[in-house]
Amino acid sequence: GEDVEQSLFLSVREGDSSVINCTYTDSSSTYLYWYKQEPGAGLQLLTYIFSNMDMKQDQRLTVLLNKKDKHLSLRIADTQTGDSAIYFCAESWGSSNTGKLIFGQGTTLQVKP
Amino acid sequence: DGGITQSPKYLFRKEGQNVTLSCEQNLNHDAMYWYRQDPGQGLRLIYYSQIVNDFQKGDIAEGYSVSREKKESFPLTVTSAQKNPTAFYLCASSTGTVYNSPLHFGNGTRLTVT
Repeated sequence: GEDVEQSLFLSVREGDSSVINCTYTDSSSTYLYWYKQEPGAGLQLLTYIFSNMDMKQDQRLTVLLNKKDKHLSLRIADTQTGDSAIYFCAESWGSSNTGKLIFGQGTTLQVKP
Repeated sequence: DGGITQSPKYLFRKEGQNVTLSCEQNLNHDAMYWYRQDPGQGLRLIYYSQIVNDFQKGDIAEGYSVSREKKESFPLTVTSAQKNPTAFYLCASSTGTVYNSPLHFGNGTRLTVT
């Protein structure tokens, strides 16, 4: 079945780059997403990448996609304390027209000043 | 401003009572979803609806019920049959098409059952 895996925790210093990794299993996924969740809040869409792309850059965010290895990463340049949050990757359940997304467990990013 | 409103933010209930969580959207989205979030487990899909008067079970539907009588509204009832109802509940909506339909989330309802 579909499965999305992420490491649970990452700690970086302010100003460093953060790299959050994700692996997925559904090779028919058409879009892959990154969401950010701040404490006590819902999920906010950060960025997404279409499955026929290798890389997408959006200001401080860079998404890399390796379709062969089914590996997705999110790089945050010049990480700030305001970036501390839980980050979820998600894949579209592409084999069926449901609009469903499958989420990973989330990576908690801790940014130390 | 368009968005998704979940209410209340915090909800407390006694064991054995049914409770209904509200979700309203004014994004004119066709599809709506309910997810449950537990620490370290990510989001698990409870129910989803692609169109008014129709809905499907997600991965963990047991002990929950929903209705979709209006496009804007998708209330979730947590019944007494749900064995472990204490959790953070997130409602979301999307355009519902399979291609690039990111979910838009509400701010969640934290349910505590004692």
